Amino acid sequence: DAGITQSPRHKVTETGTPVTLRCHQTENHRYMYWYRQDPGHGLRLIHYSYGVKDTDKGEVSDGYSVSRSKTEDFLLTLESATSSQTSVYFCAISEVADDYGYTFGSGTRLTVV
Amino acid sequence: TQLLEQSPQFLSIQEGENLTVYCNSSSVFSSLQWYRQEPGEGPVLLVTVVTGGEVKKLKRLTFQFGDARKDSSLHITAAQPGDTGLYLCAGALILGTSYGKLTFGQGTILTVHP
Repeated sequence: DAGITQSPRHKVTETGTPVTLRCHQTENHRYMYWYRQDPGHGLRLIHYSYGVKDTDKGEVSDGYSVSRSKTEDFLLTLESATSSQTSVYFCAISEVADDYGYTFGSGTRLTVV
Repeated sequence: TQLLEQSPQFLSIQEGENLTVYCNSSSVFSSLQWYRQEPGEGPVLLVTVVTGGEVKKLKRLTFQFGDARKDSSLHITAAQPGDTGLYLCAGALILGTSYGKLTFGQGTILTVHP
């Protein structure tokens, strides 16, 4: 399997607290992505990175920030968690742009109570 | 409004039946991927199609990319319980996107009963 791991796998947090999710890859791929998956919505892009310290927003970026200080790590931070951010979060990597598909991590199930 | 519309959203069939899942859009894509996802895991890439009219086969699965590169279909022949899962299509827009961002359909939940 591709070397991509997400941590934690499960987390329950309280409304208003900051939360950071980690994505770690050992493939040295340039592109990394954070998606959230909710019933009826498929996967929606939150933020993505096209290199170290190079990031940009996706379609549902409000309330989220990201950082990529090393090729292998891409962090997603919820500055002040809200119940609407309860979701399953997936990290994905790709070596080249779009045409070759993504490799996904196993996801983080986040519950905000 | 979803950029990529998948249909049906739910499909429940008996082992041995055939089925087709559709992925449609009014936009043109440079490529389109199909993924399969099992509970508790991330999506796994099945196939990428890049040429209009392209047909790819993966054992009992047949994938087709529309001539205009706006739609795709996934056909499964003689479905088996092991085919059960969530099937997702995803496309890279031909204009206006950079850095490989994919847009996903809502997914089709397939259940194959023994």
